[in-house]
Amino acid sequence: QKEVEQDPGPLSVPEGAIVSLNCTYSNSAFQYFMWYRQYSRKGPELLMYTYSSGNKEDGRFTAQVDKSSKYISLFIRDSQPSDSATYLCAMRETSYDKVIFGPGTSLSVIP
Amino acid sequence: SAVISQKPSRDICQRGTSLTIQCQVDSQVTMMFWYRQQPGQSLTLIATANQGSEATYESGFVIDKFPISRPNLTFSTLTVSNMSPEDSSIYLCSVELGRGTDTQYFGPGTRLTVL
Repeated sequence: QKEVEQDPGPLSVPEGAIVSLNCTYSNSAFQYFMWYRQYSRKGPELLMYTYSSGNKEDGRFTAQVDKSSKYISLFIRDSQPSDSATYLCAMRETSYDKVIFGPGTSLSVIP
Repeated sequence: SAVISQKPSRDICQRGTSLTIQCQVDSQVTMMFWYRQQPGQSLTLIATANQGSEATYESGFVIDKFPISRPNLTFSTLTVSNMSPEDSSIYLCSVELGRGTDTQYFGPGTRLTVL
């Protein structure tokens, strides 16, 4: 079993839809959870960062962490064509440990 | 934040040759990392580039294959040595602005194809 699993997609949605992206993980020691967005031919950029369980909202983006289920989600409201990218979940045990990345989900938002 | 540049942005190389990738940051940073990103796979950490000492390699990566230099707090190089087609990948430089901070910034990547 891989440490972090993510549906690779591709996921295609119409503009304005609510998008749900998910990751599962096996290491219960993970405490820091991140979502990165990666446009084609660019490096990943940090979107959301959460510590432990709970929700965090930033504009159209909401990150959820359920440590009991070892499951994290990223919701995108009112999706835009500019949201078309690959979304990588990432996590680490402490802020000093290496970051473990999921393989990414490719998202296309169709105008 | 940090602005990171990488050179070259892409290259096509012959089997058995070596390529050195450069990473330049616009500010002094404590932590610099090198990742590999293969199609359909997770970002994989190759090594942590330590300023003034040898790099720390992850399991499955060795210094002879991926020698790394870190001469100062704004610059690092990764060499992919004796390349084979299996080394075809995107190589990414990443930095953390301070030890234990929560944000990693990534460079644009170097797309390497080995024939």
